[in-house]
Amino acid sequence: QVQLQESGPGLVKPSGTLSLTCAVSGGSISSSHWWSWVRQPPGKGLEWIGEIYHSGSTNYNPSLKSRVTISVDKSKNQFSLKLSSVTAADTAVYYCARKGWAQPNFFDYWGQGTLVTVSS
Amino acid sequence: DIQMTQSPSSLSASVGDRVTITCRASQSISGYLNWYQQKPGKAPNLLIYAASTLQSGVPSRFSGSGSGTDFTLTISSLQPEDFATYYCQQSYSTPQFGGGTKVEIK
Repeated sequence: QVQLQESGPGLVKPSGTLSLTCAVSGGSISSSHWWSWVRQPPGKGLEWIGEIYHSGSTNYNPSLKSRVTISVDKSKNQFSLKLSSVTAADTAVYYCARKGWAQPNFFDYWGQGTLVTVSS
Repeated sequence: DIQMTQSPSSLSASVGDRVTITCRASQSISGYLNWYQQKPGKAPNLLIYAASTLQSGVPSRFSGSGSGTDFTLTISSLQPEDFATYYCQQSYSTPQFGGGTKVEIK
């Protein structure tokens, strides 16, 4: 059973950089899957942030692309998110999730989510 | 970008009711449409993928249909544990979620 676990600071100052890590257990990050970040502002809907393949290939949401970096650490079986120049609008629960490489693809495993608040 | 529009944004229903939620894509996405259920404080849970394929372990009262731009999620007989928010998501291109439909108790 694949499990994903997010970790990182729960509070980030405005204009700072949000950094989160997702540890994958019960499976290899080098499997045929994309590893994604999805966020959800309080009381609002889901927004896909971006994804990475174990080769290092990435895809990002165009609306966030200039501020987002997703990286992978195969030796630790984890991947990470960095979001720069954060504002209060970036306050959200951040989820990591797994998506299949081939079609039809879908998010089949999710972390429990971690709330990140942007505030001074 | 492909926009996903769900309707209604919320609905009230009773246990045993048949419930239908609609998702419309701004352009054809073939059958690349997934449905998720989310309960408060929890991560989304995959219900249906590829428009109509039930994810393993999901009760058969859930069903999905559609192709192209118009899709539906149907709950044939609403159960107490089904009160939640439902999201569609297109996987035709970079992932995009619908705005969600909150199913509340009447």
